[in-house]
Amino acid sequence: GESVGLHLPTLSVQEGDNSIINCAYSNSASDYFIWYKQESGKGPQFIIDIRSNMDKRQGQRVTVLLNKTVKHLSLQIAATQPGDSAVYFCAETISGYALNFGKGTSLLVTP
Amino acid sequence: EPEVTQTPSHQVTQMGQEVILRCVPISNHLYFYWYRQILGQKVEFLVSFYNNEISEKSEIFDDQFSVERPDGSNFTLKIRSTKLEDSAMYFCASSGVEPSSYNEQFFGPGTRLTVL
Repeated sequence: GESVGLHLPTLSVQEGDNSIINCAYSNSASDYFIWYKQESGKGPQFIIDIRSNMDKRQGQRVTVLLNKTVKHLSLQIAATQPGDSAVYFCAETISGYALNFGKGTSLLVTP
Repeated sequence: EPEVTQTPSHQVTQMGQEVILRCVPISNHLYFYWYRQILGQKVEFLVSFYNNEISEKSEIFDDQFSVERPDGSNFTLKIRSTKLEDSAMYFCASSGVEPSSYNEQFFGPGTRLTVL
């Protein structure tokens, strides 16, 4: 079936480096994409979103890139900090209601 | 900053028992959701609720599940007869100040349900 998935289950980066987390989706009808961060024992926390009529969106230290041609989504975190260590999920939706989450990438920031 | 709250934080129940998980969404939000996350797995959508009715539900949300907004502040998920495989973290979320579906969903801290 169609699904949202992540290329790498774990990512280890040094503090201060940039991080890139990738996500592939297969449902071409998806029109809204979101990145969530989940820290241990907490609920998902919204990071940034992008609609299908855009290919790039920037936030504070984060950038989301959307490539609809290859159905690929990425999250770039600039100057990664220890507080960025968490599991990152991409999610997509057609309806705007039901979020279909990917499996998650664990980001570990080392000093 | 307004936040979604959930009670209890941890619920232990015997198989076959009914459980009610409670959520207080952000006060001016219009859309409410339940998701679950089995340990080590991805977050899965269960149901969305708008204008006092279910707007969308997944295959997981079968007849054993129901949702209710009993008053102006609470949003509940009931599991009528729990099974071992219902053990998971259940997240409530809310979104939408304006009646548009593409709104940031704010998640609560979750209720860990353990079915013995």
